[in-house]
Amino acid sequence: DTEVTQTPKHLVMGMTNKKSLKCEQHMGHRAMYWYKQKAKKPPELMFVYSYEKLSINESVPSRFSPECPNSSLLNLHLHALQPEDSALYLCASSQQVAFSSYNEQFFGPGTRLTVL
Amino acid sequence: GQQVMQIPQYQHVQEGEDFTTYCNSSTTLSNIQWYKQRPGGHPVFLIQLVKSGEVKKQKRLTFQFGEAKKNSSLHITATQTTDVGTYFCAGGGSQGNLIFGKGTKLSVKP
Repeated sequence: DTEVTQTPKHLVMGMTNKKSLKCEQHMGHRAMYWYKQKAKKPPELMFVYSYEKLSINESVPSRFSPECPNSSLLNLHLHALQPEDSALYLCASSQQVAFSSYNEQFFGPGTRLTVL
Repeated sequence: GQQVMQIPQYQHVQEGEDFTTYCNSSTTLSNIQWYKQRPGGHPVFLIQLVKSGEVKKQKRLTFQFGEAKKNSSLHITATQTTDVGTYFCAGGGSQGNLIFGKGTKLSVKP
């Protein structure tokens, strides 16, 4: 299995809602990432987990709360989002654990989030 | 902060024509990766270059890393409609992070 899966594919939420994005991989990768991608822009790194522990937080607002319950799963909890948070949220994983630019990253299909 | 500039932003070609996208950094990069994102899709890893002056080929795609490790290019020979998408370079920064270029969106007219 060489896939990273993400659910849901699409999500529409109000600014007062609480929702979660889910990501799963069964490649045995021990590093997992959350990216945010706005239209016509490159992916922006949000969080990095290594061995289920948060190793990088790129100054992301607290309304985004990541969680890594086990080595295969990564969640992103959303609360009190703003319309400008609407974007494609991509999960990725890599075999190498140490945070490094040499890591080949496998991206999931993403969740397209719209905040009303 | 470190930046990777990528040009052109858009490229429209006739099927069968060649295509090249370029990435430049003002600072030395440890490595460079290339990703392709199809319309409505997600980035897919294409290749990584690490050595100064390195050249790698994948069928019709040729990737180069400059001698000073500050620039890179992706060249596609005889484009096909399946080549459509946005090509991103991502350079290795001094913090161990990947610095993505803004991408080049390729459209191919049959």
